[in-house]
Amino acid sequence: DGGITQSPKYLFRKEGQNVTLSCEQNLNHDAMYWYRQDPGQGLRLIYYSQIVNDFQKGDIAEGYSVSREKKESFPLTVTSAQKNPTAFYLCASSILVTADEQFFGPGTRLTVL
Amino acid sequence: GENVEQHPSTLSVQEGDSAVIKCTYSDSASNYFPWYKQELGKRPQLIIDIRSNVGEKKDQRIAVTLNKTAKHFSLHITETQPEDSAVYFCAASIGQGAQKLVFGQGTRLTINP
Repeated sequence: DGGITQSPKYLFRKEGQNVTLSCEQNLNHDAMYWYRQDPGQGLRLIYYSQIVNDFQKGDIAEGYSVSREKKESFPLTVTSAQKNPTAFYLCASSILVTADEQFFGPGTRLTVL
Repeated sequence: GENVEQHPSTLSVQEGDSAVIKCTYSDSASNYFPWYKQELGKRPQLIIDIRSNVGEKKDQRIAVTLNKTAKHFSLHITETQPEDSAVYFCAASIGQGAQKLVFGQGTRLTINP
């Protein structure tokens, strides 16, 4: 899991601003995922992508957008339409497009001021 | 939608004793069941996983059992040590082609010295 990175580690945003979280992997994995984690809760899937230029909504996609222009990159934009964006965001990747071991990045903690 | 229920939400055991965490899932097509350990502020890390064609899997002090008929799977940690203290998440594969994981709510395990 050392091959998947996220930046920045901490991010502060004012209400009404869009912000983009970076996720990069050098593992040559096909599938990439974005999760949101709130205190004391499990991981909820925002978006996932199995192939370049294609992605699917997860359970809580509203207020978020993604792109997958390169195999190694899967950035997440938190838009002003997301009502409660303060959370810990985790990116993950897996070698297979079917369920398999997912490797997680270190996470980005987003705080809306 | 498909979900995973995890119990208990908190668990406190004496060092050296065993700990058991249980999960139930709703999608009868689920075929992959990983367990992740997450230390405070860190990324989740896979500790063990099991596929639906296997009933039990063991790795040193950690074991996972799967009952497909009852849609239950459990994590067993024996001879617990202080470094086992963390939050543990179970997950199950869901969706067409088992492309996604759905996570339980997590169990905060505390090992008392």
